[in-house]
Amino acid sequence: AQRVTQPEKLLSVFKGAPVELKCNYSYSGSPELFWYVQYSRQRLQLLLRHISRESIKGFTADLNKGETSFHLKKPFAQEEDSAMYYCALLTGGGNKLTFGTGTQLKVEL
Amino acid sequence: DAGITQSPRYKITETGRQVTLMCHQTWSHSYMFWYRQDLGHGLRLIYYSAAADITDKGEVPDGYVVSRSKTENFPLTLESATRSQTSVYFCASRGQATAYNEQFFGPGTRLTVL
Repeated sequence: AQRVTQPEKLLSVFKGAPVELKCNYSYSGSPELFWYVQYSRQRLQLLLRHISRESIKGFTADLNKGETSFHLKKPFAQEEDSAMYYCALLTGGGNKLTFGTGTQLKVEL
Repeated sequence: DAGITQSPRYKITETGRQVTLMCHQTWSHSYMFWYRQDLGHGLRLIYYSAAADITDKGEVPDGYVVSRSKTENFPLTLESATRSQTSVYFCASRGQATAYNEQFFGPGTRLTVL
């Protein structure tokens, strides 16, 4: 069965410091991975997906099939980055999203 | 963002009562989903629907019933609520041709079962 692991419940960094939110997955098929973000009092929304290889709000994530990882990175954290971040794996023909337990990112001044 | 709504936003009920959570979307999306969000578990899929009158179980379907008589609505019913069903419930939808299978989420319903 598929599984997504986010080892950190809380990650606290100072403004301007680099950020790396870890995500590892377990899946026998070809993975399709996403990062979703939930800002305070807002809906869960898509941040980025590996297939498009894009950078959103300065965040990037590279799929490493050898290490089965999809870590989210940003070189310089901003206060507005404080939020809950979820890594998610899509399976079931595009119908089943398996989420990790989430990492709360807190950017301190 | 107003394209997918949930009601009620907050609900307190008692053990054994039936509760229905509503989800409505205005995009005519084919697919709709119900998740529950719990500390230590993230979001877990309860049920999903590929079209009207087509539903399928997710990861944690026990104790829940869904229906989809109209494309725009996807109600979730707890037939006999239990304390373990206290959670935040999210509805989501996506279109048949949505780029990269992106799902769009509703604002959530916070349910407390006493």
